Amino acid sequence: RKEVEQDPGPFNVPEGATVAFNCTYSNSASQSFFWYRQDCRKEPKLLMSVYSSGNEDGRFTAQLNRASQYISLLIRDSKLSDSATYLCVVISSGSARQLTFGSGTQLTVLP
Amino acid sequence: DTGVSQDPRHKITKRGQNVTFRCDPISEHNRLYWYRQTLGQGPEFLTYFQNEAQLEKSRLLSDRFSAERPKGSFSTLEIQRTEQGDSAMYLCASSSTTGLTQETQYFGPGTRLLVL
Repeated sequence: RKEVEQDPGPFNVPEGATVAFNCTYSNSASQSFFWYRQDCRKEPKLLMSVYSSGNEDGRFTAQLNRASQYISLLIRDSKLSDSATYLCVVISSGSARQLTFGSGTQLTVLP
Repeated sequence: DTGVSQDPRHKITKRGQNVTFRCDPISEHNRLYWYRQTLGQGPEFLTYFQNEAQLEKSRLLSDRFSAERPKGSFSTLEIQRTEQGDSAMYLCASSSTTGLTQETQYFGPGTRLLVL
């Protein structure tokens, strides 16, 4: 079983739609959680960190449920420019602080 | 541009050849990471440096792979006797242990390797 699992996708949604991505992680000792965005043939870029209390950044809302080991990302009023692959990312305990990525969920926002 | 840079951006090589990639991190960052990404997958951790010390290596890093960060600034990743299975995007990331963006990893554009 992979340490971080995501919805397989792809998601094709019309402009203006609300779309939600889910992610589960297997290591209960995981400490930090993020969503990264990756455009086609580009490097991953941090979209937002995810906190236990939930956090919002404009149209984006991230939630963390430690008991269920579940992370979510909600995108409201989706734009064409939101089309990308969204990567769920976890940092487990340990000194290296390396990122463990899910396989990503591809989103295409259609005009 | 003060972001992470990688060179070359693309490399095509024949099986059995050696290749070396370079990463220049953000100048004040003391941590440097190498990841590998294959099509349809997220990046996978390979190795990590804090300053010049290589502190952790993934089991993915076979003995054909070696990484260095001799002066705690730029890093190189060498693959010896390349195999077709080494074809992937090799991503470098850097982070700082201090400051407001502490531990946020910033990625370079990657080196795309194709082994024929």
